[in-house]
Amino acid sequence: KAGVTQTPRYLIKTRGQQVTLSCSPISGHRSVSWYQQTPGQGLQFLFEYFSETQRNKGNFPGRFSGRQFSNSRSEMNVSTLELGDSALYLCASSGGGYSGANVLTFGAGSRLTVL
Amino acid sequence: DAKTTQPNSMESNEEEPVHLPCNHSTISGTDYIHWYRQLPSQGPEYVIHGLTSNVNNRMASLAIAEDRKSSTLILHRATLRDAAVYYCIRLNTNAGKSTFGDGTTLTVKP
Repeated sequence: KAGVTQTPRYLIKTRGQQVTLSCSPISGHRSVSWYQQTPGQGLQFLFEYFSETQRNKGNFPGRFSGRQFSNSRSEMNVSTLELGDSALYLCASSGGGYSGANVLTFGAGSRLTVL
Repeated sequence: DAKTTQPNSMESNEEEPVHLPCNHSTISGTDYIHWYRQLPSQGPEYVIHGLTSNVNNRMASLAIAEDRKSSTLILHRATLRDAAVYYCIRLNTNAGKSTFGDGTTLTVKP
């Protein structure tokens, strides 16, 4: 069965631009969570969606937003990009909702470079 | 604090067992303990998880302390392909509280 697919894998933007990243979860998984990974801060939770509703949100500014569609695919958007937004953005899907009993399956990530 | 505490790095020789410790002294009763590993340029990969009892799967074993404040991931025979960053995480329904720590970088020497 297909894994979690993230697109694009690599992208370069300049400060002030915006970016949209896409995540297609494993078929049947309804929970999608997003993480930012940087060398200095490690893996930080951004937000989690379940059945098109944002259930949890991490401590990031409002420039970071997301949504989930009826087919469980999710997008995240970062507006007014800053140099510090350069990172690997990971999404993970979970069957049966985001619960400790369920395993997270991660995509390969989208590496964003902001110049 | 929901973060777990792990040693920054560990080394092992190939074919030898590896014990990776994790401290989660503030764990709550509903938190599961998960382990993931990440190879360079890849997303984290699931290794094992458990709640209270020790767990085994084809990849590893997970030993959970009786008070659940710590756990140990056991790789029974390390191979070069096991070299990765290993993350221990407390996971529950509140995704915002499920925080990855800094992980342990495992180096496997031939």
